[in-house]
Amino acid sequence: EAGVAQSPRYKIIEKRQSVAFWCNPISGHATLYWYQQILGQGPKLLIQFQNNGVVDDSQLPKDRFSAERLKGVDSTLKIQPAKLEDSAVYLCASSVDRGAFYEQYFGPGTRLTVT
Amino acid sequence: AQSVTQLDSHVSVSEGTPVLLRCNYSSSYSPSLFWYVQHPNKGLQLLLKYTSAATLVKGINGFEAEFKKSETSFHLTKPSAHMSDAAEYFCVGAFNDMRFGAGTRLTVKP
Repeated sequence: EAGVAQSPRYKIIEKRQSVAFWCNPISGHATLYWYQQILGQGPKLLIQFQNNGVVDDSQLPKDRFSAERLKGVDSTLKIQPAKLEDSAVYLCASSVDRGAFYEQYFGPGTRLTVT
Repeated sequence: AQSVTQLDSHVSVSEGTPVLLRCNYSSSYSPSLFWYVQHPNKGLQLLLKYTSAATLVKGINGFEAEFKKSETSFHLTKPSAHMSDAAEYFCVGAFNDMRFGAGTRLTVKP
């Protein structure tokens, strides 16, 4: 079974630039999560999708972050414009459905460095 | 507030000696609890989970954890550390969502 795929694996940008990350969840998984993991901290949930609808985006900085999952499969997370404090690893995860949120499978992450 | 707290940011052990990574939770009820491991440049991998069945939970790679309600703890142990165990370990509580601890970096010395 293929795991959660993410790209790119690494990205370096200057502040005020834009960046986008892509995630392809495990086939058949209805729920997709984006996490932000700042160095030295545990992952923090940014947004959760159920199919193509947003379930929880309460911790997403909506002035600069956006995410979509248009066809209910893969997803993109965008930052525009980036700030220095956005430097982090962005993890994507998926689960069979919302009820199985404790059975999440994680991708390898995208490490973002903002200079 | 519902949360998990990992008591050590860094633990260093010698190869072949026991490992103890400590985690406490705060909740008005007994949540499901998990331990994940994260090797450098790799995704998070589930080590084990407690879901209100047996309080002693066995996971992969020889790890186990014991849920102690009286102490609100869920410490991770392994009898004998291996060099390949060096990684970041996260204690996670399933409340309305998954709440991660800050992580414990395990170093294994030869």
